[in-house]
Amino acid sequence: DVKVTQSSRYLVKRTGEKVFLECVQDMDHENMFWYRQDPGLGLRLIYFSYDVKMKEKGDIPEGYSVSREKKERFSLILESASTNQTSMYLCASSLPRIQGADQPQHFGDGTRLSIL
Amino acid sequence: AQSVTQLDSQVPVFEEAPVELRCNYSSSVSVYLFWYVQYPNQGLQLLLKYLSGSTLVKGINGFEAEFNKSQTSFHLRKPSVHISDTAEYFCAVSPLGAGSYQLTFGKGTKLSVIP
Repeated sequence: DVKVTQSSRYLVKRTGEKVFLECVQDMDHENMFWYRQDPGLGLRLIYFSYDVKMKEKGDIPEGYSVSREKKERFSLILESASTNQTSMYLCASSLPRIQGADQPQHFGDGTRLSIL
Repeated sequence: AQSVTQLDSQVPVFEEAPVELRCNYSSSVSVYLFWYVQYPNQGLQLLLKYLSGSTLVKGINGFEAEFNKSQTSFHLRKPSVHISDTAEYFCAVSPLGAGSYQLTFGKGTKLSVIP
C-alpha cells in the first residue's frame, strides 16, 4: 500500500513565524500535491510538483512556497504565518497519468495547523 | 477551468435507508469524475471513479455512482447505509490527459447515519 506521511498531525505556531510542513511518500511517485481544507470550502490546491525541483502553482498559492529537493519529499512553507492560514493541510501523491487511464492520488492524514 | 457543485452540505439518514449524494460539474473539456470519502481525522480515500464506458460505476463499500453527461451530474448512491458510512464525501473532476493533473473538488457533503 502507498504510504503518504505528514510529519505532524497538529501544529501550533505564532503569527509571523516561518512554518514548514513536511510530506514523505514511499512509492516513488512523480506527482505530489499540497491542499488546504477548510469547512464549507472543500479542498483547494495550493501547489503541486511533477518532478524533483519542479513546481506549479495551484488555485491559492499566495502566502505559500514549496520545496522538492528529493523525489519522496515535498515541503510546504509558510513564509510569514498569518491567522488566516489556520487550516487543515493535506498532502497527496500519484504516479503520472497514462493516456486513457488514471493514477489515483493517495492522501496523507493531514496536519491541522493553528496560527495564534 | 472546471467547477464542482455538491448540492447538499449535510445529509442525515437513518441506518439501512438508501442515500443519494448529489454532484454537478461544469467544464469546457471532457473530464474524469471521482468520489472520495474522508472519515474523521483521516485523509481522503478514493471511493470510485468514472473514466469512460458504462455510466454506472461501482466502488468500495457498496457505493455506486451514475454519470449523466447531458445533466453534467455524477450522483453517488448506496441502497442501504451503515453507521460506519458516517463521513464527509467529496466529488472531484480532472481534465482528461496524461502526465501531471489537477483535481478540482466540491465543497463536500457530510453524511450522518442515525441509528
